[in-house]
Parts: sequence; structure tokens; C-alpha cells
Amino acid sequence: GAVVSQHPSRVICKSGTSVKIECRSLDFQATTMFWYRQFPKQSLMLMATSNEGSKATYEQGVEKDKFLINHASLTLSTLTVTSAHPEDSSFYICSARAGTGKQETQYFGPGTRLLVL
Amino acid sequence: AQSVAQPEDQVNVAEGNPLTVKCTYSVSGNPYLFWYVQYPNRGLQFLLKYITGDNLVKGSYGFEAEFNKSQTSFHLKKPSALVSDSALYFCAVRDRNSGNTPLVFGKGTRLSVIA
Repeated sequence: GAVVSQHPSRVICKSGTSVKIECRSLDFQATTMFWYRQFPKQSLMLMATSNEGSKATYEQGVEKDKFLINHASLTLSTLTVTSAHPEDSSFYICSARAGTGKQETQYFGPGTRLLVL
Repeated sequence: AQSVAQPEDQVNVAEGNPLTVKCTYSVSGNPYLFWYVQYPNRGLQFLLKYITGDNLVKGSYGFEAEFNKSQTSFHLKKPSALVSDSALYFCAVRDRNSGNTPLVFGKGTRLSVIA
């Protein structure tokens, strides 16, 4: 299947700093990528839909100025957690949709574990 | 609105026995249905999907799932469980006619296969 990578896999930062997470589709082009957040032992919570060349669509309750999303190319979307605080510590997972119709599948990156001290 | 229900938080099964992880869904139109598996501290791995065609879908690692439209279910099954199948399993749905909307996930079911 298609491959989605994320970088970094793990990051520890001080409170107040910003952290950028990259999501790449390695062997296909993705006009749409999704960013999820997962708390321990819980399901995935959709944060935003990232559309190449346009503004991201954020889910209710997700601060767009806090979680900046840029989808500058068909293979790269970035999530920047600005002025991170301990409550932002979480597992962030990106996903990219490949194919259409019968070929449609959504592939996931390996996740990024963020710890804010 | 789209939704997915995974009624069991935990499923325990002995190695070699058949396993079933339940999933029911709700969409206004026709569904795209997916199963994913997540190992500790990892992202989600695609297992199988139903888009159209045969109701019985075969996927990775010997898993299969049956789409049942009348019961709005898409239960995941495997004839003989392995200890290595122990993981967190997510069912997901998307309305086929909903444009570019993302998948909606169930809350997950933790499968524990005991040797």
C-alpha cells in the first residue's frame, strides 16, 4: 500500500516554544491530508482537513491559530503547534487519502509523540 | 451525520480460536467502510475496506470482514487468532456521497489473544 511518513517521530520541547510536524506522502500525491490527535487509550480525534493550495478546515473546538496547518505541495503537509503547553502533549497522526472511488484508501503516518515540559 | 459504534472495549480470545470484532455504522447514503489496526506507539495500519461489490472482504494478515447492509454492520473476523494479532482495532466509515469528508472512527476495540 501507499506510504505516509511523519517527522519527527518523537519531540520534547519546553513550554512556550513552537513545534513543527511534517507529513509526507512518499509514493502518491495527496490533495487532501488529515491531522488527528490521539489521547492515551482513546480513539482518533480529527483536528483538521488540509487541502493543497488552500486553507485548512478545522474541526469545532480546534484553535486554528494554535495549530497552524500548511499544505504547500501535493506530498507535504505540516502541522505547527504554536506556543506549546503541557496540555498539548499528545500523539499526533497525519493521514493522506489516495485514489478515488473503488481505489480510495486513507493511509496513516506512524505518528508523532509530543511531550511539552 | 456519520457515526461508528464498536460496542466492545476489549475482546479476549485464545490463540487458535476464531475472533470477531464488532462494528456497526450509520450514514445517510452508501458507506465506504474500513478496518485499521494500531500497535503500541504506532500509527494506524490499513487492514481492509469495503467500497462496493462482494460483501465479504478479505484483507491483510488473514483478516476478513462482512458488510451487512440490513444490519448496518461490518464485523472483523479471523478464523484462527495469533498472539501477534493483539492490538487496538478501529472501524471507520465515510459516506460515499459526502464529497471530500474524512473518515469517522469508532472508539476502538482492544484485542488480546492469549497463548
